[in-house]
Amino acid sequence: SQTIHQWPATLVQPVGSPLSLECTVEGTSNPNLYWYRQAAGRGLQLLFYSVGIGQISSEVPQNLSASRPQDRQFILSSKKLLLSDSGFYLCAWSVASRAEQYFGPGTRLTVT
Amino acid sequence: AQRVTQPEKLLSVFKGAPVELKCNYSYSGSPELFWYVQYSRQRLQLLLRHISRESIKGFTADLNKGETSFHLKKPFAQEEDSAMYYCALRKSNYQLIWGAGTKLIIKP
Repeated sequence: SQTIHQWPATLVQPVGSPLSLECTVEGTSNPNLYWYRQAAGRGLQLLFYSVGIGQISSEVPQNLSASRPQDRQFILSSKKLLLSDSGFYLCAWSVASRAEQYFGPGTRLTVT
Repeated sequence: AQRVTQPEKLLSVFKGAPVELKCNYSYSGSPELFWYVQYSRQRLQLLLRHISRESIKGFTADLNKGETSFHLKKPFAQEEDSAMYYCALRKSNYQLIWGAGTKLIIKP
């Protein structure tokens, strides 16, 4: 069966420090991958999605970037964190040509 | 414009009472809609999809194209139904458009 992992679960970082959040999927090949930010009362904001290795689409211009170095690995990064980057980040995957998405446990990021 | 609206941020009902979580959408094509649920300290998970016409955990949702709605219903609420519920709409490129979510609280 397919599983999706995210780490770390929680992270506290100072303003101006770099960020790297990792997401991996097991049990499937060539998944579509997504990074979301979940904010209370505002739903899920799609940040990036990827349909293949090295193929990244950005939905919202911001201080973050994403990379997909391997088929089932998706990384969310920042060179210099801002206070406004604090939030709950979710990774998700889907089968290509299907809409159902399956979510990881999330990472709670606090920028201090 | 493609949009999903969940008008209630918070819905509180007593155990045993009926529950209806509202979802309205705006989409020019043939819609495909989903309900997702997030229980406390658990990951977001798919609850049901309209094309399956299924009932999961006693919940059902019927697509009403005339009213552009996909409300989630359960005749008798249980305390374990307390959670955050999201309605989502598939775009033409298979990505999802999300509603803002409704927090459901079931009072004992």
